[in-house]
Amino acid sequence: GAGVSQSPSNKVTEKGKDVELRCDPISGHTALYWYRQSLGQGLEFLIYFQGNSAPDKSGLPSDRFSAERTGGSVSTLTIQRTQQEDSAVYLCASSQDSQPQHFGDGTRLSIL
Amino acid sequence: QKEVEQDPGPLSVPEGAIVSLNCTYSNSAFQYFMWYRQYSRKGPELLMYTYSSGNKEDGRFTAQVDKSSKYISLFIRDSQPSDSATYLCAMSGLGAGNNRKLIWGLGTSLAVNP
Repeated sequence: GAGVSQSPSNKVTEKGKDVELRCDPISGHTALYWYRQSLGQGLEFLIYFQGNSAPDKSGLPSDRFSAERTGGSVSTLTIQRTQQEDSAVYLCASSQDSQPQHFGDGTRLSIL
Repeated sequence: QKEVEQDPGPLSVPEGAIVSLNCTYSNSAFQYFMWYRQYSRKGPELLMYTYSSGNKEDGRFTAQVDKSSKYISLFIRDSQPSDSATYLCAMSGLGAGNNRKLIWGLGTSLAVNP
């Protein structure tokens, strides 16, 4: 596609449920990043993929968070046993080589 | 103290004004500096990208980087109501495996009034 696509655009779920967030990067972009944007905290890095490997997972807040990337393309961020503090906008970005990152519009996650 | 500091505003200016936005940072390893614009309920949109120190101009936008002072700026000339948005500065070093994870300011909310 022309840009980074994320789905769903909105997700409301109950505390304790698992959620999966999907990112389709720009075609041909080998680097993929996940960030979280919350009020008062701004944007925070979660994880970096180069191809299907994740050499930097340092931003994942707990072991309830995991991510994978397959075929050097689509990535899924999974949050298990969701908590209210997980409510945020989850943003995905992709880039090619040394070029800057381009972002999707995010998934707005609300935990009730 | 955050690695990147940015005044959240809000900043309100009349149409046609020159807008000055800035960020300071503490990590001398940062080499890549970006400004993104974010409209409500949208993802960040890249405006300007600068490597190391210097100036860069693109239309009504000028980005400046002063690594000696750890200070970056974005100037918007002839501001328009459509420029009303949140402006985010972001920066990165070069990590292992070509990792360029971005460290962000909190964003400055700008309103340009007709």
